[in-house]
Amino acid sequence: DAGVIQSPRHEVTEMGQEVTLRCKPISGHNSLFWYRQTMMRGLELLIYFNNNVPIDDSGMPEDRFSAKMPNASFSTLKIQPSEPRDSAVYFCASSFQDRKTQYFGPGTRLLVL
Amino acid sequence: GQQLNQSPQSMFIQEGEDVSMNCTSSSIFNTWLWYKQDPGEGPVLLIALYKAGELTSNGRLTAQFGITRKDSFLNISASIPSDVGIYFCAGLLMEYGNKLVFGAGTILRVKS
Repeated sequence: DAGVIQSPRHEVTEMGQEVTLRCKPISGHNSLFWYRQTMMRGLELLIYFNNNVPIDDSGMPEDRFSAKMPNASFSTLKIQPSEPRDSAVYFCASSFQDRKTQYFGPGTRLLVL
Repeated sequence: GQQLNQSPQSMFIQEGEDVSMNCTSSSIFNTWLWYKQDPGEGPVLLIALYKAGELTSNGRLTAQFGITRKDSFLNISASIPSDVGIYFCAGLLMEYGNKLVFGAGTILRVKS
């Protein structure tokens, strides 16, 4: 299996621009998670989906952030408009719902100037 | 919110030494996971623990799910240079479904 796939691996953008991060979960996994990692706050769960349905988005910082999962093999995390404080590494992870163990992608390193 | 207290924060050890790190919480967890993160990469699952008291090994790694469900430890025996990285514990809270709570991480450096 290819594992969780994320794109792009690196993104540099200017403040105010829209940023879209993409994730392909492991085939057959039915839960998908978006995390943000910073030095100050560590790993934070932003949102997670079960069977393509958002279950808990309480970790989403504000309305500038949105996530979608149109099908079982694809999800996006969008930031519009982006701000410098959004600079972080964004990880996608997936799991079998009943197995609980999550497998992480390589992350997208976002820098907002 | 729920917190995991992971210690030590960092370790600088001699190659060949054994390593021990742990996580504690005031909350009860129904699953404990240990991950390792290399620079520029995502966390990689090392060991998963599902039952209180469970002791599981993966090569030189050994982890245990505390009997009270509030703690877990990870041991690495005979450390080698490639053990360098950040180790995270993560726990699943019973009342929060699939949400993982992560510790702050233990930075391990190995001197050869």
